[in-house]
Amino acid sequence: QQQVKQSPQSLIVQKGGIPIINCAYENTAFDYFPWYQQFPGKGPALLIAIRPDVSEKKEGRFTISFNKSAKQFSLHIMDSQPGDSATYFCAARLEGAQKLVFGQGTRLTINP
Amino acid sequence: DTAVSQTPKYLVTQMGNDKSIKCEQNLGHDTMYWYKQDSKKFLKIMFSYNNKELIINETVPNRFSPKSPDKAHLNLHINSLELGDSAVYFCASSLWGSGDTSTQYFGPGTRLTVL
Repeated sequence: QQQVKQSPQSLIVQKGGIPIINCAYENTAFDYFPWYQQFPGKGPALLIAIRPDVSEKKEGRFTISFNKSAKQFSLHIMDSQPGDSATYFCAARLEGAQKLVFGQGTRLTINP
Repeated sequence: DTAVSQTPKYLVTQMGNDKSIKCEQNLGHDTMYWYKQDSKKFLKIMFSYNNKELIINETVPNRFSPKSPDKAHLNLHINSLELGDSAVYFCASSLWGSGDTSTQYFGPGTRLTVL
């Protein structure tokens, strides 16, 4: 019930392509859905986040699409660049508990 | 001007030893966390503290004991280290609340290797 399922595990895209990473959850008590980006040897860094009452949020080249009825959300990266190569984590926060539940991570590689 | 800092960055030790990892944040946050990232990159929360009070204590062996001397610091002490404790440990901090104001900021991590 507290799981967040993320797919794919790994993704290789050519420069300029649009990688899409998907996440699904069951628990309706989640109230906030951030995405984190992690480079090797570094800590996760917040990329973009969305609340469940919003269907889409865009920040620069990064867009979250949120489907509340399907309990799914996804990250799209427009005009992807080799510098976007990293591991991406979706997460969901349990309302009132400040507890983040992370997806399994997606290792994204953008080929030049 | 590091926001969330951890020491040490690397820790290599023998099985059975006791070790500590320190975390400090200068963001003025009131809530701090410890996460464990295993070899498959899976991130799982271990503990959280709000204003020095333990809020979340996941099913972590009691060999792990967090201590929060003040709101800006959260240390992790591990007794009788085991091979399975090898992982990267991340400290994070946030404001207690909802929405974007309670975004969690992560430290650079401490890679613990138990031999």
